[in-house]
Amino acid sequence: EAGVVQSPRYKIIEKKQPVAFWCNPISGHNTLYWYLQNLGQGPELLIRYENEEAVDDSQLPKDRFSAERLKGVDSTLKIQPAELGDSAVYLCASSLDGNGNEQFFGPGTRLTVL
Amino acid sequence: KQEVTQIPAALSVPEGENLVLNCSFTDSAIYNLQWFRQDPGKGLTSLLLIQSSQREQTSGRLNASLDKSSGRSTLYIAASQPGDSATYLCAASFNKFYFGSGTKLNVKP
Repeated sequence: EAGVVQSPRYKIIEKKQPVAFWCNPISGHNTLYWYLQNLGQGPELLIRYENEEAVDDSQLPKDRFSAERLKGVDSTLKIQPAELGDSAVYLCASSLDGNGNEQFFGPGTRLTVL
Repeated sequence: KQEVTQIPAALSVPEGENLVLNCSFTDSAIYNLQWFRQDPGKGLTSLLLIQSSQREQTSGRLNASLDKSSGRSTLYIAASQPGDSATYLCAASFNKFYFGSGTKLNVKP
């Protein structure tokens, strides 16, 4: 069974440029999560989707971050414009549903903003 | 905001030693708790998930326990091996998952 797929694995951009990350969850998983992980810290939730509906985006900086999950499968997280402080690892995870089921993580995208 | 704390932040042990990693949380109304392993530059690998109705879960050399009343979970690793070297994270689920900062484990050959 394929795991959670993310691309790209690495991205280096200049500040003020846009960037997008893509995630394909495990087949059949209705819940999709985007997390941000800073060095030496645990992941912090940015947004959670139940199918195509964003049910928790309280920690998403909406002035520059946006996300979508069309058709309730793949998801894209976008930053525009990127700032130096956005440098981090962006992790995608999925679970069968949002009722505390086991989460499975992708390899992450390491973003460096110069 | 819920808080999840992991102590120690780093641990170094000789190969073969049994060890315990600690995770504490501030609210006893936990839904479940999940332990993960993270290797450098990689994503998180799920190790064990304990539902709130359970006291412990076992997988191979790993045993995780959950004590909701004291707000604690422990991950016990038996007969540690160099391949166990990684960062171990716990995540407590309330209305959403809250992660600790992890314990970086180094098992010396």
